[in-house]
Amino acid sequence: SQKIEQNSEALNIQEGKTATLTCNYTNYSPAYLQWYRQDPGRGPVFLLLIRENEKEKRKERLKVTFDTTLKQSLFHITASQPADSATYLCALSSGGSYIPTFGRGTSLIVHP
Amino acid sequence: EAGVTQFPSHSVIEKGQTVTLRCDPISGHDNLYWYRRVMGKEIKFLLHFVKESKQDESGMPNNRFLAERTGGTYSTLKVQPAELEDSGVYFCASSQATGTGAKKLFFGSGTQLSVL
Repeated sequence: SQKIEQNSEALNIQEGKTATLTCNYTNYSPAYLQWYRQDPGRGPVFLLLIRENEKEKRKERLKVTFDTTLKQSLFHITASQPADSATYLCALSSGGSYIPTFGRGTSLIVHP
Repeated sequence: EAGVTQFPSHSVIEKGQTVTLRCDPISGHDNLYWYRRVMGKEIKFLLHFVKESKQDESGMPNNRFLAERTGGTYSTLKVQPAELEDSGVYFCASSQATGTGAKKLFFGSGTQLSVL
């Protein structure tokens, strides 16, 4: 069956460091991969979208890579700040319905 | 511009009762989605409307769940009768109708449903 795996353990890092979150998937051929941020009590907020034929995408301090051979996406936040603390969700869309299927998310905690 | 709004934010009901959740999408967004997050699990897709039509309802758990979007504006999700396993956070999202390809979804803050 299709699986999207994100590290269930929280990632703790110091302010100013680069945070790297991982999204692995199996039995899936996504055409698109998205990353969302979710704060407690709120809905997910879209951050970045990357297509299967793109290797990397950047937006300000954010960078996403997409390796369809490894079946993995890495999400980087450079110069992290305490305000970056949140849960980050990856979501995959196939070429059929394009409706995103979400992973469970990884909690990021940035310490001042 | 107003975001996606959901009402109520919290609902506590007893098993066997009926609950109706409402979602107002961003104005002009033809696509409307319902998702659900059960404790400790991932956010799971329930169904997708394009305007007033159900495009995909493959994620609806059973026939106790009924979603409507009359007039293609706001949507309601009714659970009747509610069971304990229906507890969770119900999210609504909307997106623009800009051709094919993955859509950037705008989410509401969700309705926390507790069935006792």
